[in-house]
Amino acid sequence: GENVEQHPSTLSVQEGDSAVIKCTYSDSASNYFPWYKQELGKRPQLIIDIRSNVGEKKDQRIAVTLNKTAKHFSLHITETQPEDSAVYFCAAGNAGGTSYGKLTFGQGTILTVHP
Amino acid sequence: NAGVTQTPKFQVLKTGQSMTLQCAQDMNHEYMSWYRQDPGMGLRLIHYSVGAGITDQGEVPNGYNVSRSTTEDFPLRLLSAAPSQTSVYFCASSYSKRMNTEAFFGQGTRLTVV
Repeated sequence: GENVEQHPSTLSVQEGDSAVIKCTYSDSASNYFPWYKQELGKRPQLIIDIRSNVGEKKDQRIAVTLNKTAKHFSLHITETQPEDSAVYFCAAGNAGGTSYGKLTFGQGTILTVHP
Repeated sequence: NAGVTQTPKFQVLKTGQSMTLQCAQDMNHEYMSWYRQDPGMGLRLIHYSVGAGITDQGEVPNGYNVSRSTTEDFPLRLLSAAPSQTSVYFCASSYSKRMNTEAFFGQGTRLTVV
């Protein structure tokens, strides 16, 4: 089955700095890579996703890059703000394949943005 | 739309007791799943279903049962609770027959087994 590794487990930055979280996956059939943000005591919510036919995707201060050859993808947050503080999860899945809908999550990164 | 609704939000069980965590969605999603969240281990898949009448095991299925008699509901049963099942449980749903497979999560159930 799929295995997703996420690093670092904790990340501390100053407000205004950039933050980068990296994930690797093992199953070459995976073609859907979402990122979820979970605030303390809340449910995970999708912030951005990318599919294997795209190398990079941006949404305001958030961007995700994908390297299919190396089987890794990364989340980039620029101009961080205190409200970006949360746990971030990467995941890998196969959208439209025989295991459609099934996501394997990384272990999570606790991001702390200091004012 | 209410989205994904989980009940209860909190539960304390004694070892050996049984209970059912409820999950319902009103988005007509085919795919539903249960995860448990433990510190440092992310979200681990317990069981999932691709439609009514179809269920399958995930990464950590032992000690849990599921059924999917309707599209809307996907209950998770703990047959004989153990302290190792102390965790936060999330139900999620998504479309499975389209390219958009964003998972929508319920608010979670914090379960403590003593």
